[in-house]
Order: sequence, then structure tokens, then C-alpha cells
Amino acid sequence: QKEVEQDPGPLSVPEGAIVSLNCTYSNSAFQYFMWYRQYSRKGPELLMYTYSSGNKEDGRFTAQVDKSSKYISLFIRDSQPSDSATYLCAMSGQAGTALIFGKGTTLSVSS
Amino acid sequence: EPEVTQTPSHQVTQMGQEVILRCVPISNHLYFYWYRQILGQKVEFLVSFYNNEISEKSEIFDDQFSVERPDGSNFTLKIRSTKLEDSAMYFCASSETSGRETQYFGPGTRLLVL
Repeated sequence: QKEVEQDPGPLSVPEGAIVSLNCTYSNSAFQYFMWYRQYSRKGPELLMYTYSSGNKEDGRFTAQVDKSSKYISLFIRDSQPSDSATYLCAMSGQAGTALIFGKGTTLSVSS
Repeated sequence: EPEVTQTPSHQVTQMGQEVILRCVPISNHLYFYWYRQILGQKVEFLVSFYNNEISEKSEIFDDQFSVERPDGSNFTLKIRSTKLEDSAMYFCASSETSGRETQYFGPGTRLLVL
């Protein structure tokens, strides 16, 4: 079983839609959960960081972690064409250790 | 805003040659990492470095690879005797301190081995 699974999409939505991106994982030791945004041929850009379970909101972005279900989500409200990118989930068990990435979901927001 | 920088942005090399990829982490960060991303695949961890030594490495990071912090600002990845399958984007990342797991990535070096 793969450690981190993420539907690669592509996911196409109209401008203004609410987008839901998800990852599942198998390693119960993961405690640190991150969402990165990656534009084509660029480095991952950190969007959201969550420690353990719970929700975190930053502007139009909300990250949720459900450790009991081993499931994390990223919600994007009022999506914009500039949100078109690949969204990567990443997680680790301890600070300062390797991040394990999902394959990424490609999102396209049309105007 | 501070950022991780990497040079070169692109590198083309012949199979069997050695390459050195360079990174300047964010200045107050203490943990440094290298990851790679083969085209169309996941970002994969290679190695982490703290207090002038390797703290963790993956199966990918074999004797062909080495890392070094030659001075107070640079962090390098050396790949000896490059192979075709080493062609990938190589990302450097850094994080501030233990207990704060927010790794910031550089723009990457695209390595092409011919």
C-alpha cells in the first residue's frame, strides 16, 4: 500500500467554485501535514501547515486533518484562475525529517 | 521575503560526468534537504542535513551522492558518475528549527543527463 495517495485529477472548475482536494495516508505516525502549490516546472510553494488533527484557515484556504480516518483535505473558496496549479500534500512523522509527498492534483480554474 | 535559491536553473551533462548542484538556504534555517522529482512522478526525499552532518537519507541516496555545506551559506549536492535515470528536477529545501516542520523549497535545478 502506498504511503500517501492523492487523486492526480485533472480537476476542472469554473471561477468562484469551491474546490476540495484530498489525500489519504497509511502511516499513523504522521503528525505534520502540509499543502504545497506547484506551478509547472517550479518549486513547491508552501500553502498550509497543520500539526496533528484539526482545521486551519488562511484567507480562502482551509486545511483539515482527520487522523482517525488518515485523511487530509484542502478547501479553496472562491477559486480564481490564478489558483490553477498542481497541489501537493506532504506529511512527516517528526519535525526535521523527510516529507512524504502525494503525487499531486492538477487543478484548472476557468474564467 | 527570504527564499531558498538554487543554481544553476538548468544543467545538461553527459552520462558518467560529475555535477554539483548548489543551494543557498534561508539564512536563519538550520535544517537542509534535497529532494528530486522525476518528470510526472512524486517529489522524493533524498537527504537531510543538520549540524554539519547527514541526519537522514533515503534509499535513493547511495554512494553516488554526497552533500556538503562548504561555508556558512551554501549547501551542495554532488552526483558522481551521472546516469540517464538521474535526469530530474532537484529541489533544495530548508526549515527553521526542530519542532517547526515547515520546509521551504527552492525553484529547483533541472538536470538532464544525455
